[in-house]
Amino acid sequence: AQKITQTQPGMFVQEKEAVTLDCTYDTSDPSYGLFWYKQPSSGEMIFLIYQGSYDQQNATEGRYSLNFQKARKSANLVISASQLGDSAMYFCAMRDGPGNTGKLIFGQGTTLQVKP
Amino acid sequence: GAVVSQHPSWVICKSGTSVKIECRSLDFQATTMFWYRQFPKQSLMLMATSNEGSKATYEQGVEKDKFLINHASLTLSTLTVTSAHPEDSSFYICSAVGLATADTQYFGPGTRLTVL
Repeated sequence: AQKITQTQPGMFVQEKEAVTLDCTYDTSDPSYGLFWYKQPSSGEMIFLIYQGSYDQQNATEGRYSLNFQKARKSANLVISASQLGDSAMYFCAMRDGPGNTGKLIFGQGTTLQVKP
Repeated sequence: GAVVSQHPSWVICKSGTSVKIECRSLDFQATTMFWYRQFPKQSLMLMATSNEGSKATYEQGVEKDKFLINHASLTLSTLTVTSAHPEDSSFYICSAVGLATADTQYFGPGTRLTVL
């Protein structure tokens, strides 16, 4: 069965520094997709970044990058130059099933607090 | 990015009444919509997968007669909580995916339901 694990319940980072949020996954399917979402206190889920299992390069979106290590089955999110507005809960997720109709399996989440 | 709306953003109702929550994809056609439930400081739990024009697929343990899902068009899905009880109080959030979104699910802002 597919599984996503986030082992850091909470993280602190100083403003303007970089932070890495850990995510490991388990699947026997050779084709899968990995996602990171941000959930601020307002509750909305904001899509940050996507990595396909066959993508050769690590995904990047602005200050977000995904450190994809396929052999280790890890997909860590790196946020560079942290801002106060980055304080939120972050979820790693994996698509279970083919194409865009597959459901998402979420990790437990990591709460990030950015200190001024 | 794709925009998904949800209405209402919050609702308070009396025990025994029914509540309808709408999820709309505003700028793309959603072939599939998903409904999640989230308790405070926990991860998202998938309730059901809804495809336009067909019956929803419910996850194990989710009562389909209590949580009625209708996906009448490519831009609208509704979740009706029937005969609501205090234990149904939760944060309900939908997501949508379509050809325009590739593999990515975009989420609505969520609905906070409180049953008195």
